[in-house]
Amino acid sequence: GAVVSQHPSWVICKSGTSVKIECRSLDFQATTMFWYRQFPKQSLMLMATSNEGSKATYEQGVEKDKFLINHASLTLSTLTVTSAHPEDSSFYICSAPGTGKTGELFFGEGSRLTVL
Amino acid sequence: DAKTTQPPSMDCAEGRAANLPCNHSTISGNEYVYWYRQIHSQGPQYIIHGLKNNETNEMASLIITEDRKSSTLILPHATLRDTAVYYCIVRDSNSGYALNFGKGTSLLVTP
Repeated sequence: GAVVSQHPSWVICKSGTSVKIECRSLDFQATTMFWYRQFPKQSLMLMATSNEGSKATYEQGVEKDKFLINHASLTLSTLTVTSAHPEDSSFYICSAPGTGKTGELFFGEGSRLTVL
Repeated sequence: DAKTTQPPSMDCAEGRAANLPCNHSTISGNEYVYWYRQIHSQGPQYIIHGLKNNETNEMASLIITEDRKSSTLILPHATLRDTAVYYCIVRDSNSGYALNFGKGTSLLVTP
């Protein structure tokens, strides 16, 4: 099946710094990618939809200036957490729809961010 | 997307069948039932999906009731590696839509 890869798988940063997370579709093209956030013992929450060649659309309550999304190519979307604070510590997961008719989404391995 | 209801947790003995129920009484005619699972600290993994017929693949079987208001995911011979949170999600098959995750069922497979 299709593979979505994220990098880094985990990152620790100091408060106030910015962190970039990459999401790649390895063997297929994705004009759309989805970014999720998951806090401990909670479910995945959709943050935003990344659209190749256009602006991302954010879910209610997600600050677009804090979570910058760039979808510059058909295989790469990046999420930058700007001026990170401890409350941004979370598990960030990206996903992309496959090219078939099943409606299946393929998920990355996730990136665990810890802000000190 | 229609809402789903799942039990918060279940236990299953290793080697036995795990039957995970899901209620989706407001499902509409064009909505599919998808099942994903998430092993701790990993991204979700697709298991199976169906519209109205029962489905089977190498991972599991999906049984959908005739009125489509509920379904059951069956892991025929559960192993310790099947311990995970299982999510039942209902949505249209349009591949442009994101999945909205509920709380899922935390399945613990015990030796």
